[in-house]
Amino acid sequence: EAGVAQSPRYKIIEKRQSVAFWCNPISGHATLYWYQQILGQGPKLLIQFQNNGVVDDSQLPKDRFSAERLKGVDSTLKIQPAKLEDSAVYLCASSRGIPIYGYTFGSGTRLTVV
Amino acid sequence: AQTVTQSQPEMSVQEAETVTLSCTYDTSESDYYLFWYKQPPSRQMILVIRQEAYKQQNATENRFSVNFQKAAKSFSLKISDSQLGDAAMYFCAYRSGTSGTYKYIFGTGTRLKVLA
Repeated sequence: EAGVAQSPRYKIIEKRQSVAFWCNPISGHATLYWYQQILGQGPKLLIQFQNNGVVDDSQLPKDRFSAERLKGVDSTLKIQPAKLEDSAVYLCASSRGIPIYGYTFGSGTRLTVV
Repeated sequence: AQTVTQSQPEMSVQEAETVTLSCTYDTSESDYYLFWYKQPPSRQMILVIRQEAYKQQNATENRFSVNFQKAAKSFSLKISDSQLGDAAMYFCAYRSGTSGTYKYIFGTGTRLKVLA
C-alpha cells in the first residue's frame, strides 16, 4: 500500500507570514495525526482526527494554528502568522483505527521561519 | 501526566556488536503500550518494536529485542549484530491504553552511530 504522503518537503518563510502543509493518509485509515518535532526533541501531538472530527487538539496553539480534514481523507495544517519558534518538522501519521500496532508516519515537512 | 525519558543523547556501536538503548517512563496507568521508533535522515518514523504492558514476555523482532521491567518502569532496546543501516535516531514512545486519544508521548531520542 502507498504510504502517508506529505508536501512540501521543505518550506522557508519569514516570521508573520502564513504557511500550509498537506497530508494524504493511507487509504482506509480513519485516524490522522499531526505531530510537531522541534530540533532536539521528540515529536509532540498537535491534533488527532477521527474521520473528519477532532478527537484531541489540546496541544494545538489555536491562536495561530488551524487544521482541517475535509471528507475524512486529506488534511491541511496551517500556521498564521508564523513565529520563529514554529521552526520544526511537521509529521503527519495515520492509522486504521485503534493503533495497536502503531501508526504509519509520513516523511514530514521541515519548516524554517526566519 | 505521563513522561518518557531517554538519558543517552548519543550512543556508538561497532558493526556486528550489540548495543542497548535506555528508556524510562512514568505513569499511573496499568494499561498502556510502549514502542521504539527509528528515525533515519529521511525523517520518516519507522516502528521497530512494540510491547503491551500486560504481557510479561519481552517482545523480539529479529535482531531487536526489549527488556521490559514494568515495576521499574524501564523499557530498553537491544540491537544485536548491529548493521550500518541501523544508524539513526531512536525514540521511545508511550501510548495510553485507556485514553480515548491515541497520542504518543515521545522521549527526546538517542542518536545511534554504527562504526565500520
